[in-house]
Amino acid sequence: AQKITQTQPGMFVQEKEAVTLDCTYDTSDPSYGLFWYKQPSSGEMIFLIYQGSYDQQNATEGRYSLNFQKARKSANLVISASQLGDSAMYFCATEDGGTSYGKLTFGQGTILTVHP
Amino acid sequence: NAGVTQTPKFRILKIGQSMTLQCTQDMNHNYMYWYRQDPGMGLKLIYYSVGAGITDKGEVPNGYNVSRSTTEDFPLRLELAAPSQTSVYFCASSYGQFSGNTIYFGEGSWLTVV
Repeated sequence: AQKITQTQPGMFVQEKEAVTLDCTYDTSDPSYGLFWYKQPSSGEMIFLIYQGSYDQQNATEGRYSLNFQKARKSANLVISASQLGDSAMYFCATEDGGTSYGKLTFGQGTILTVHP
Repeated sequence: NAGVTQTPKFRILKIGQSMTLQCTQDMNHNYMYWYRQDPGMGLKLIYYSVGAGITDKGEVPNGYNVSRSTTEDFPLRLELAAPSQTSVYFCASSYGQFSGNTIYFGEGSWLTVV
């Protein structure tokens, strides 16, 4: 079974600064996907960024980048130039390859608070 | 664009009652899923479906049932509601290939069992 570990229950960052949210995963499948989702206080799940296990380059989406270290099974999310609207819960998730399409395993999340 | 639509958004149930959470998607996705999210936790998979007529259990299926008679709809049935089923429920859908960023979530259904 997949296991996702987010070791930071809460993180604080000053507005306009960068912040890194940690995620490690445990999978024996050679093919998998890594996701980050944002969940604001309103509750919806907002997709942020995706990295495939065979992608050579780290994924980037605007202010979000995924620091993918395959050998360490690490997929940290980097948010540059934090904004007040970034305050939310952030979840790391994995999707195994094979027949597990869309079956995501989530970490417990990290609450990010951005201070003005 | 409707995407994934869940109803109801909020519901209070008494212990022992039953109800159905509705989920429909208009993207012609083959794969659909139900997740639950307990307070302060990540989502856990309840059931999923890879196409009409095909369903399978996820990590936490006990106390729930599903059916998939059409591509669009994937209702989740709670039988004999228990306080442990108080949670937020998310329906999701995807194309059914290695999904990348093509997993779409509904807005969630908040269920309280008292």
